[in-house]
Amino acid sequence: QVQLQESGPGLVKPSQTLSLTCTVSGGSIVGSTFYWSWIRQPAGKGLEWIGRIYPTGSTNYTPSLKSRVAISVDMSKNQFSLKLSSVTAADTAVYFCVRGRGWFDSWGQGTLVTVSS
Amino acid sequence: ESVLTQSPGTLSLSPGERATLSCRASQSVNSNYLAWYQQKPGQAPRLLIYGASSRATGIPDRFSGSGSGTDFTLTISRLEPEDFAVYYCQQYGSTPWTFGQGTKVEVK
Repeated sequence: QVQLQESGPGLVKPSQTLSLTCTVSGGSIVGSTFYWSWIRQPAGKGLEWIGRIYPTGSTNYTPSLKSRVAISVDMSKNQFSLKLSSVTAADTAVYFCVRGRGWFDSWGQGTLVTVSS
Repeated sequence: ESVLTQSPGTLSLSPGERATLSCRASQSVNSNYLAWYQQKPGQAPRLLIYGASSRATGIPDRFSGSGSGTDFTLTISRLEPEDFAVYYCQQYGSTPWTFGQGTKVEVK
């Protein structure tokens, strides 16, 4: 059974770049027919899809974040990553990495990222 | 962008009762590409339903999904104690993929 695990700094300063990595185990990103996405959830609020990457490297992002976000994949490490630039307090949230085909069937446990000086 | 509106915001029910949750889309959802998730405090969401009506692996048959076009429903036939949680709908018929704001099912 596939497992996903987020890692990265829990505290990021305003205007800096948030960087998270998702390590996939129990399944390979290479050759898969899944999309690999990032989703975030501010405390006490709903879910927001940030974007996705396909194993071919093709990406798609939500319009409100498109100018600040980049998702990439490292096939050799079976990982995919999120970079979100110019962060503000509004980017404080739990960030989940997920696998899916449109619907999301496997989720990481989530990691809290706080934007604060 | 397809905006999903869930109602009610909160549903207060007793164990054993039937729960009916609504999800309305601002535009028709392509191919009924709609999913439902359950989330408990401190946990990641869990997939319940995809394709509007297909139950995910391991999901009890008291959970059922229905609907098409812009109107979708999640029904829990008889609430078990572990079903009290927040439920989200999500459309994946067009990008950006979007979620509803959630419905909380609480103990009455």
